[in-house]
Amino acid sequence: EAQVTQNPRYLITVTGKKLTVTCSQNMNHEYMSWYRQDPGLGLRQIYYSMNVEVTDKGDVPEGYKVSRKEKRNFPLILESPSPNQTSLYFCASSFRGTNEKLFFGSGTQLSVL
Amino acid sequence: DAKTTQPNSMESNEEEPVHLPCNHSTISGTDYIHWYRQLPSQGPEYVIHGLTSNVNNRMASLAIAEDRKSSTLILHRATLRDAAVYYCILRDKFNSGGSNYKLTFGKGTLLTVNP
Repeated sequence: EAQVTQNPRYLITVTGKKLTVTCSQNMNHEYMSWYRQDPGLGLRQIYYSMNVEVTDKGDVPEGYKVSRKEKRNFPLILESPSPNQTSLYFCASSFRGTNEKLFFGSGTQLSVL
Repeated sequence: DAKTTQPNSMESNEEEPVHLPCNHSTISGTDYIHWYRQLPSQGPEYVIHGLTSNVNNRMASLAIAEDRKSSTLILHRATLRDAAVYYCILRDKFNSGGSNYKLTFGKGTLLTVNP
């Protein structure tokens, strides 16, 4: 089944403790992206990647890092999480092109205490 | 990306058709109209998209006004599983913003389906 898999589904951590949220897709998509969703602010893009080793900032990249060493994986790294990064995170992927469907993962609910 | 306007919420009854409107008066000639929906506790999912002609797929139909300043997503027989937030999004065919294929989400329309 074609899917985008994120792990973990829920994560509670403390300020400053490095964490990684994994994202993997099995559709051979070149394009991958991370979004965060907050009440009243909607979905906002954090980072995106056009292909292996090609990443760039989205609208809200501060405090996040990403890497794209393999085509299928696009982890989101919070090196020193802060409470304002408490949010619902979604990974998405697609083939290249603005008319391609974006496929989203089920989300990771992160709480930073 | 051009802006879209949708009602905050709509209500429907199960097994009845639902028409979800979207206004996009500043749409450009190269903007495609995309619809996504987000079910509770899930990530957004693609529903349908079109440019000028009406479009149908297994999930829904998309009716586009002749002047393209508005469109309507039609769910032919709403089920409880269709309760979700529906987003109308414009995407530039030529991706003038660069190589980023991001979706710019607005607030969407919260659809409630009554049994």
